[in-house]
Amino acid sequence: QVQLQESGPGLVKPSETLSLTCTVSGASIFSSTAHWAWIRQHPGKGLEWIGSIYHDGSSHYSPSLTSRLNISVDTSKNQFSMRLTSVTAADTAVYYCARQKGSPWSPNWFDPWGLGTRVTVSS
Amino acid sequence: DIVVTQSPVSLAVPLGERATINCKSSQSLLYSSNNKDYLAWYQQKPGQPPKVLIYWASTRESGVPDRFSGSGSGTDFSLTISSLQAEDVAVYFCQQYYSTPITFGQGTRLEIK
Repeated sequence: QVQLQESGPGLVKPSETLSLTCTVSGASIFSSTAHWAWIRQHPGKGLEWIGSIYHDGSSHYSPSLTSRLNISVDTSKNQFSMRLTSVTAADTAVYYCARQKGSPWSPNWFDPWGLGTRVTVSS
Repeated sequence: DIVVTQSPVSLAVPLGERATINCKSSQSLLYSSNNKDYLAWYQQKPGQPPKVLIYWASTRESGVPDRFSGSGSGTDFSLTISSLQAEDVAVYFCQQYYSTPITFGQGTRLEIK
């Protein structure tokens, strides 16, 4: 079955860059019916979509993060990654990667999700 | 941005009874060219990632028990659990995918009364 696994540091200092990678198994990142997404969940809070990318590199970002965000795809490793610059305590959250089903022009719901990785921004 | 508002924030229902969670969007999620509502429902249990239950507002994901059903169209939607089981204790979220930015409801915590 399709599985996603997030990896990256659990602790990042304020003003530095948060980098996370998602490794996909059981499915090809080249799928024509999938986008690949990052979503975060602040402690005890709801879900916030960060951004999504298609295998050709076309992407959509949350307007609130676009100035600090870059999402990329590495088709050779079947991975995709996110970089969030100039982090603050407000970026402390559990970060999930997920497959987002849909056509190239219409990304839809998220299934499945990775288990999530907790990231704390603190000095 | 499309704002998605869930109600109630929390809900306690006796075992075996019906539970209904509502989701209202700030604009219609019905795409006229295919007559589909771009809304999904998720279940999140403690310490786990969300799991999709329903998409296209009323299509049940494979393997999801048939006590879960989704209804509604346009701007008003509901998730109903027909007979609450102990394993249904969780937080439930709705999500619109009609347009970016993708947005989620704030969640509804479902407990046993």
